[in-house]
Amino acid sequence: GEDVEQSLFLSVREGDSSVINCTYTDSSSTYLYWYKQEPGAGLQLLTYIFSNMDMKQDQRLTVLLNKKDKHLSLRIADTQTGDSAIYFCAESRPTGGSYIPTFGRGTSLIVHP
Amino acid sequence: DTGVSQDPRHKITKRGQNVTFRCDPISEHNRLYWYRQTLGQGPEFLTYFQNEAQLEKSRLLSDRFSAERPKGSFSTLEIQRTEQGDSAMYLCASSLAPYGYTFGSGTRLTVV
Repeated sequence: GEDVEQSLFLSVREGDSSVINCTYTDSSSTYLYWYKQEPGAGLQLLTYIFSNMDMKQDQRLTVLLNKKDKHLSLRIADTQTGDSAIYFCAESRPTGGSYIPTFGRGTSLIVHP
Repeated sequence: DTGVSQDPRHKITKRGQNVTFRCDPISEHNRLYWYRQTLGQGPEFLTYFQNEAQLEKSRLLSDRFSAERPKGSFSTLEIQRTEQGDSAMYLCASSLAPYGYTFGSGTRLTVV
């Protein structure tokens, strides 16, 4: 199976909270990331979390990590139409001294008024 | 610093032609990565440089693909004898530490 799995779509109403979920397979994952991609653009790093943390908050974004279940989530509070994009979960682990991020397929977030 | 720059933004080429893409990382970043992204998929790792040394190569990187990073600054990715299956967005990223990668806007390749 895939190393990093995400649901493909999420639709929310403007002003509600969005929660995007991700599961990964490798317990040695050291860094976990959330990236945002808007149409035709590259990836923008939103936040990352070290595997020894279980939560990280940055303004409207909250990342929760359940290492036992290998589950990562991204909560966006007060979701706006400008948050509509594809969100990628990624993980990296030491491989011969390198840390090569592995990405999921992305969750397309649609925010409607 | 203007972030990671990639050139060109778009490239249309005929099957069988060679193409070369360029990536200029953030100047103090010693780590540089190339990824390929196709429609509906996440980025797939191609290759990784630390300074000028190419340390990792994916099995996706067939012998038609070659990447260089002379002097540990900019990098080039060349595809020889392009095939329609090479059509994708090619993304470059750089970092100083093994986290916090900054991506460029990508080069979209269309092979006709």
